[in-house]
Amino acid sequence: GAGVSQSPSNKVTEKGKDVELRCDPISGHTALYWYRQRLGQGLEFLIYFQGNSAPDKSGLPSDRFSAERTGESVSTLTIQRTQQEDSAVYLCASSWNGPGTMVNEQFFGPGTRLTVL
Amino acid sequence: DAKTTQPPSMDCAEGRAANLPCNHSTISGNEYVYWYRQIHSQGPQYIIHGLKNNETNEMASLIITEDRKSSTLILPHATLRDTAVYYCIVRAAGNKLTFGGGTRVLVKP
Repeated sequence: GAGVSQSPSNKVTEKGKDVELRCDPISGHTALYWYRQRLGQGLEFLIYFQGNSAPDKSGLPSDRFSAERTGESVSTLTIQRTQQEDSAVYLCASSWNGPGTMVNEQFFGPGTRLTVL
Repeated sequence: DAKTTQPPSMDCAEGRAANLPCNHSTISGNEYVYWYRQIHSQGPQYIIHGLKNNETNEMASLIITEDRKSSTLILPHATLRDTAVYYCIVRAAGNKLTFGGGTRVLVKP
């Protein structure tokens, strides 16, 4: 596609429910990142996928958060037993981190706004 | 990755140059300086990056001091659409971006 897409654009859920957020990266991009942005705050790194390597999960805030990526395509971020503090915009970005790459610009999607009631 | 320090906010007059400073005194030799901006309700947008030489593209210029401990992003002719939060990020190639608070730039008519 022309850019990174995310769905849904908005999600309202009740506390305790599970949610799945989807990211479609730019075709051919080897790296995919998930970030979280609370209202009025900067971006928090959550998880990073690079090709077939083990993902960098160092930013996941708790074991309620998990993410998967199939090959170099779609990724799904899952939040189990949602809490009100999970309310935020969840942003996905992709980049091409091929061999010999020195600089890799990240392209961001529009985000999914999650509201936990 | 090195930490950056930016002023929390600044105003700029439409049509004038906007100079956004960033301090990164702990930058190491293999780390690049990146600038992104985030317009309200949108995802961040890449602006420019550099290692040690000054860089210019259609959006902005990046001036990096000789010791690489600070840099300035220059928007040559600010427009109202440049109102956004501007993030200065220092990282090694291939690493994740670590966003600080950024500088909230308000361009006024």
